[in-house]
Amino acid sequence: DTEVTQTPKHLVMGMTNKKSLKCEQHMGHRAMYWYKQKAKKPPELMFVYSYEKLSINESVPSRFSPECPNSSLLNLHLHALQPEDSALYLCASSQGPGGETQYFGPGTRLLVL
Amino acid sequence: AQSVTQLDSHVSVSEGTPVLLRCNYSSSYSPSLFWYVQHPNKGLQLLLKYTSAATLVKGINGFEAEFKKSETSFHLTKPSAHMSDAAEYFCVVSDRNAGNNRKLIWGLGTSLAVNP
Repeated sequence: DTEVTQTPKHLVMGMTNKKSLKCEQHMGHRAMYWYKQKAKKPPELMFVYSYEKLSINESVPSRFSPECPNSSLLNLHLHALQPEDSALYLCASSQGPGGETQYFGPGTRLLVL
Repeated sequence: AQSVTQLDSHVSVSEGTPVLLRCNYSSSYSPSLFWYVQHPNKGLQLLLKYTSAATLVKGINGFEAEFKKSETSFHLTKPSAHMSDAAEYFCVVSDRNAGNNRKLIWGLGTSLAVNP
């Protein structure tokens, strides 16, 4: 089973709201990723967690705050977002930080008003 | 530095005709290469991957790709297009950084339209 699940599927939030995106995998993978994807563009890497520790932060604004509660779960906490943050947020996982193949979830489509 | 170039931003074919999506890469060592597909309003699905085994790689849904080191290419093909193949296709190369994490380098994508 190569399934990564994400909730919610859609999210609308105001610029003063606080919300969270959730990602889960049960493949025993030890690396998990957050990507942001704008329409008609490739995904952009935001964060990488390796063995539940943050290993890469691609200079993402602090209004995005990742969290890895355990090896199966990855959260992205959102606060004081801007309209330009509206995008598809994708979670992925791979066997390890050196694991090559990343498996993606269906994404959360976020609209910031 | 590694990079990926998808030579066509948009390809249009008729149903039942062959599909060719072109990808060139640059790499300082033997790369790992992938094709991902993204259907409208969906996540990314792995079509196939090359990791230094056989140069002709077979993937899901009848797609295949051939790794040609001399041409630094990894073109995606399918003998006969189906309407359900209409989607965005991304060619990706895997890069290992100093921290031993693998980072994916993405092409800009090719939008495939299939006409009835």
